Amino acid sequence: GAVVSQHPSWVICKSGTSVKIECRSLDFQATTMFWYRQFPKQSLMLMATSNEGSKATYEQGVEKDKFLINHASLTLSTLTVTSAHPEDSSFYICSARPQDTDTQYFGPGTRLTVL
Amino acid sequence: QKEVEQNSGPLSVPEGAIASLNCTYSDRGSQSFFWYRQYSGKSPELIMFIYSNGDKEDGRFTAQLNKASQYVSLLIRDSQPSDSATYLCAVRSGGYNKLIFGAGTRLAVHP
Repeated sequence: GAVVSQHPSWVICKSGTSVKIECRSLDFQATTMFWYRQFPKQSLMLMATSNEGSKATYEQGVEKDKFLINHASLTLSTLTVTSAHPEDSSFYICSARPQDTDTQYFGPGTRLTVL
Repeated sequence: QKEVEQNSGPLSVPEGAIASLNCTYSDRGSQSFFWYRQYSGKSPELIMFIYSNGDKEDGRFTAQLNKASQYVSLLIRDSQPSDSATYLCAVRSGGYNKLIFGAGTRLAVHP
């Protein structure tokens, strides 16, 4: 149980385009999902907390207009990287938290390369 | 700022030995404590969680929590080369809706 999927697993795009990443909890409902970014050989960095039916809470320094988060249902959250640039190339990982627990389960991640 | 500290390593242990990974946290109000394992190029996977003082065992893994000392550890018995990974300690502080992650300790188990 507690499986989280992400799609796509990798994506290559041109500078200036937008990319949407989906995060799904497959066998549980998640009122809260989290989006992280990880650069090579660096630690996880929390970007935002996504709550179903409400606006996401962004961490300090994360541009909310650049990283659009939608959490439209209890099993789906999406992250859209708008006007992507090479410096946005990174490993984006979501996690989902089942209701009434503190435990986060991570998706497999999406590797974004912006040319 | 709530902090979680881990030694970055690498911690090198021989196959079959006990690996001991340590983590300290700054917020005394912390309630929940987690250990995740992350292989290179992969996302973190949950190993175990602990809420109460003392030890919690799951197979070859034992988590130890000491809230008075603000210290949580993970012991891996009979370490295997497949245990070589980065181990992340995460803490949920009181009142926070998120986990605070340490930077991770890299473990290398050599044959």
